[in-house]
Amino acid sequence: GAVVSQHPSRVICKSGTSVKIECRSLDFQATTMFWYRQFPKQSLMLMATSNEGSKATYEQGVEKDKFLINHASLTLSTLTVTSAHPEDSSFYICSARGLFGGLTDTQYFGPGTRLTVL
Amino acid sequence: GQQLNQSPQSMFIQEGEDVSMNCTSSSIFNTWLWYKQDPGEGPVLLIALYKAGELTSNGRLTAQFGITRKDSFLNISASIPSDVGIYFCAGQGDTGTASKLTFGTGTRLQVTL
Repeated sequence: GAVVSQHPSRVICKSGTSVKIECRSLDFQATTMFWYRQFPKQSLMLMATSNEGSKATYEQGVEKDKFLINHASLTLSTLTVTSAHPEDSSFYICSARGLFGGLTDTQYFGPGTRLTVL
Repeated sequence: GQQLNQSPQSMFIQEGEDVSMNCTSSSIFNTWLWYKQDPGEGPVLLIALYKAGELTSNGRLTAQFGITRKDSFLNISASIPSDVGIYFCAGQGDTGTASKLTFGTGTRLQVTL
């Protein structure tokens, strides 16, 4: 159990376009979802935290107008990278936390989305 | 943002050897977690530690929550080729708004036959 999926797994886009990444909790309700970014050979850096039905909380240095997050339901959060540029190329990973088997604080991670901006 | 320091940064070991890695922080955490990440994949939770001093095992993996709440270690016994990957520690503060994870810098493990 506690499966989190992401779609797409890989995306290549042209500079200036927008890209939407979906994160779904498949067998539990995620009260909170997190979005991370990971550059090659680096650790995961938290971008933002989103709670269902409310605005996301962004980490310092992350542009909220560039990285739009929508957490419209307890099983779906989306990250839209607007006007993407080559420096936005990275591995984007979501995680979800919610009620599952009594463990309310454990984060379960998705498989990641590799974004390449040409 | 803050990162936890992990050591070693990378290690090459032979199959069958035991592995030890640790994670230190300048801040106190109430929960320590250890994840493994394979190339092109998301992190997978290996062990979660909830009490200072706690020692927990999961198969060949053993992890301890440091008594000061500022460190943790992970041991892997009798390593096998599929142990290859990057191991991340993560610290978590209180529940609620402070419950986000802070990740370590990672330890890259390579196992030779």
